[in-house]
Order: sequence, then C-alpha cells, then structure tokens
Amino acid sequence: AQSVTQLDSQVPVFEEAPVELRCNYSSSVSVYLFWYVQYPNQGLQLLLKYLSGSTLVKGINGFEAEFNKSQTSFHLRKPSVHISDTAEYFCAVKPTQGGSEKLVFGKGTKLTVNP
Amino acid sequence: GAVVSQHPSRVICKSGTSVKIECRSLDFQATTMFWYRQFPKQSLMLMATSNEGSKATYEQGVEKDKFLINHASLTLSTLTVTSAHPEDSSFYICSAALAGFNYGYTFGSGTRLTVV
Repeated sequence: AQSVTQLDSQVPVFEEAPVELRCNYSSSVSVYLFWYVQYPNQGLQLLLKYLSGSTLVKGINGFEAEFNKSQTSFHLRKPSVHISDTAEYFCAVKPTQGGSEKLVFGKGTKLTVNP
Repeated sequence: GAVVSQHPSRVICKSGTSVKIECRSLDFQATTMFWYRQFPKQSLMLMATSNEGSKATYEQGVEKDKFLINHASLTLSTLTVTSAHPEDSSFYICSAALAGFNYGYTFGSGTRLTVV
C-alpha cells in the first residue's frame, strides 16, 4: 500500500517570495507522482507529474518539483508566488505497476499568499 | 486537452429525496472514472471506481445502495445519492483516467450537495 504525507497543512507567504510545499511518500513499489491544485469550490487541476526520466519536473504556472528517490520526496517549489497562487495543493502517487488505477492523495497544503 | 464536465455544480435537496450527479468526458473516452467525496478542509476520499459496462467497485465503508454509480457509456458516469440525509452534504468530484494512463487523470469541477 502507498501513503502520502504533506508535512505542512498551511503555508502562509508574502507575494513574490519563494515557496516550497513538502511531500513525502511511502511505498514498497515504484510510483508515479503528481501535484494538483484546487481553487475554492472547484475540481483539481494537474500542476505537474513525474513518470520517469529527469527528476526535475516543470509544470504549469511556474511550478516545479524534484523527485528524490532516496528521500522518497517530491517537493513542490515556485521561486516567486502571486496572490493568485492561493489555493489548496495536493500531492498524489500511483504504483507504476499493478492493476489499480487509484491515486493516493495526501491531506493537502493550504497555500496563502499575502500582499 | 481532455475535459471532464460535471453537473450540477451546486444542488440543494430535501431529506429523503435522491440526487443525480453527472460526469461527462467531452473529447475522449473514459474507460475508468472515479468518484470522490471531500469534506471541508480535507483531502479527497475515494468512494468508488467505475468501469464502462461493469459494476462499480466501492471502497470499504461506502454504501453501494446509497451511492449508486452507473457508467453506461465511455463518456458518461453518474452518481445518484439516494434517500439523501443532511450528513450526505459534501463536495463530490469525479475524475476520469485517460486511456494508457500516461495522459493522466482529469477532474470534474465538483458538485456541492446540500441536503436540508
């Protein structure tokens, strides 16, 4: 079974500051990794995903994440945030092999960007 | 890109009535769809996985007779909350898995259900 831990439930930052949202996972098998963003009363939008290859993944809206297999981490970063980045961010994993298509989500991190 | 349309976005119903939520894949065929429930300020809880033409697979603790899922075509899955109670009030989100998986998952915009 897989589990995902998002270490910070809330992260407040000032506009134009850098931000890192932390995600660690536990799995006995290889996994694919995802970051999703959810704005209030909306569904989830894919920010980026790691399937294979380069461990540094670039996504939409200036976000990037780095897969670290030894530390089982997939932290999300942005060098300069905007007010519009205020949202809930979810890290998720899925086994690379096996029949299940289910994503396993972390509990989410609420990012609040203040002026 | 792949789009999943979910309707309605908001619905208010009386206790004891049933409510149907639709999830449509607009420009692709979704062989597998997922239904989630999200409580305020919490993560998504997977309720069930539906595959076109077969019965849905429910997660442990989810009442299949209360949350009826139908995936009759490759572009439409429905969730019906039967005999709704106030504790069923929640945000429900559907998601579709694109063929071959590497294309990822696409989420609907969610349905806010309020049972009064």
